[in-house]
Amino acid sequence: QVQLQESGPGLVKPSQTLSLTCTVSGGSIRSGDYHWSWIRQPPGKGLEWIGYIYYSGNTYYNPSLKSRVTISVNTSKNQFSLKLNSVTAADTAVYYCVRFDSSGYYHDAFDIWGQGTMVTVSS
Amino acid sequence: QSVLIQPPSVSGTPGQRVTISCSGSSSNIGSHSVNWYQQFPGTAPKLLIYSTNQRPSGVPDRFSGSKSGTSASLAISGLQSEDEADYYCAAWDDRMNGPGVFGGGTKLTVL
Repeated sequence: QVQLQESGPGLVKPSQTLSLTCTVSGGSIRSGDYHWSWIRQPPGKGLEWIGYIYYSGNTYYNPSLKSRVTISVNTSKNQFSLKLNSVTAADTAVYYCVRFDSSGYYHDAFDIWGQGTMVTVSS
Repeated sequence: QSVLIQPPSVSGTPGQRVTISCSGSSSNIGSHSVNWYQQFPGTAPKLLIYSTNQRPSGVPDRFSGSKSGTSASLAISGLQSEDEADYYCAAWDDRMNGPGVFGGGTKLTVL
């Protein structure tokens, strides 16, 4: 059973870079049916898709965040990562790493979610 | 402001049937299938309905999804107290060229 686990600092200072890593276990990140995503949820608010990456390194970002986001993949470690630069308090949220089924059974759906990690932007 | 529009809250009594609406546009719901996610407080969302009207294994058949034009609906029949949660619709959007347009979420309260 595939599982995703986020890791990284829970507190980031304003103007700095938020960095998170997602470790995939129970399956290979090289599976061609999936893209590997980041989604965030500010406290008490809804979900926002940040972007995703294919195992080959192809990336797709939410246009509203594209200028500040970098998603990368490390297939040897079965991990993918998020960097969000120039953060402000508005970036305070629970960050989820999520598998997007792009051509498998649950076509075009976010089918497996990590438990999420809270990141607070504050000095 | 979310791209997909959902009512902030709905409520019902045990055994009742409730529906949650999700309104979009031709670039998302009008052209693509809709997914629904269920989220309990303090936990990650879970895929509830995919491809507009399909249930993943383990999801009770009390949950059903449908779509008409640029709107979609999630129906829950035989409402149970454990259905109290937040529900989000989502779809691919051609303008974003990505999968992640979500509704703002609907809080379901079982009275």
